[in-house]
Amino acid sequence: AQSVAQPEDQVNVAEGNPLTVKCTYSVSGNPYLFWYVQYPNRGLQFLLKYITGDNLVKGSYGFEAEFNKSQTSFHLKKPSALVSDSALYFCAVRDSSGNTPLVFGKGTRLSVIA
Amino acid sequence: GAVVSQHPSRVICKSGTSVKIECRSLDFQATTMFWYRQFPKQSLMLMATSNEGSKATYEQGVEKDKFLINHASLTLSTLTVTSAHPEDSSFYICSARDPGRGQGEQYFGPGTRLTVT
Repeated sequence: AQSVAQPEDQVNVAEGNPLTVKCTYSVSGNPYLFWYVQYPNRGLQFLLKYITGDNLVKGSYGFEAEFNKSQTSFHLKKPSALVSDSALYFCAVRDSSGNTPLVFGKGTRLSVIA
Repeated sequence: GAVVSQHPSRVICKSGTSVKIECRSLDFQATTMFWYRQFPKQSLMLMATSNEGSKATYEQGVEKDKFLINHASLTLSTLTVTSAHPEDSSFYICSARDPGRGQGEQYFGPGTRLTVT
C-alpha cells in the first residue's frame, strides 16, 4: 500500500527566508512523486513532479523538491518565500506500475509572514 | 491543455434529496477518473476510481449505493450523492488521467462544495 507522511501541520516562515515543507513516502515499487498547492475553496494546482532522472526537480513559482531514495523523502523547498506562497501544500505519491491513483499526505499549511 | 471542469462549483440541497456533480475532461480523453472528498482542514480522501464503460471501484468504507458514479464517456464522469444528509457536506474533487500525456498524470477539477441542510 502507498502512503505519504507530512509531519508538519503548519509551517511559518518570514518573507524572504527559505522555506521547506517535508514529505516522506512509502510505496512498493518505484515512486512517482508530486507536490500540489491549494488555495481556499479552490482545487489543486500542480507544482512539480519527480518521475525519473535528476533528483532535484524544479517546478512552478520558484519551488523545487529533492528526491532522496535512501530517506524516502521528497521535501519541497523555495529559496525565498513570498507572502503569496501562503496556502495548503499536499505531497502525493503513486506507484509507477499500473493505473493506481495518487495518494495524498494530510497537507501542510504554509504561512509566510511579511 | 489538460483541463478538468466540475459543475456545479457550489450546491446547497435539503436532506433526503439527491445531487449530481459532473466532471469533464475538456481537451483530452480520460479513460480513468477519480473522485476525492476533502473535509475541512484535512487531506483528500480517495472515494472511488472509475474507468470508462465499467463499474467504479470504491475504496473501503465508501457506500457505493450512496455515492453513485457513472463514467459513460471518455470525457464525462458523474457523482450522484443520493439521499443526502448533513454529514455528506464536503468538498468533492474529481481528477482525470490522461493516458497520452507524461506518465499518466492526474489533472484535478476545481472542486464542488456541497452543503446539505
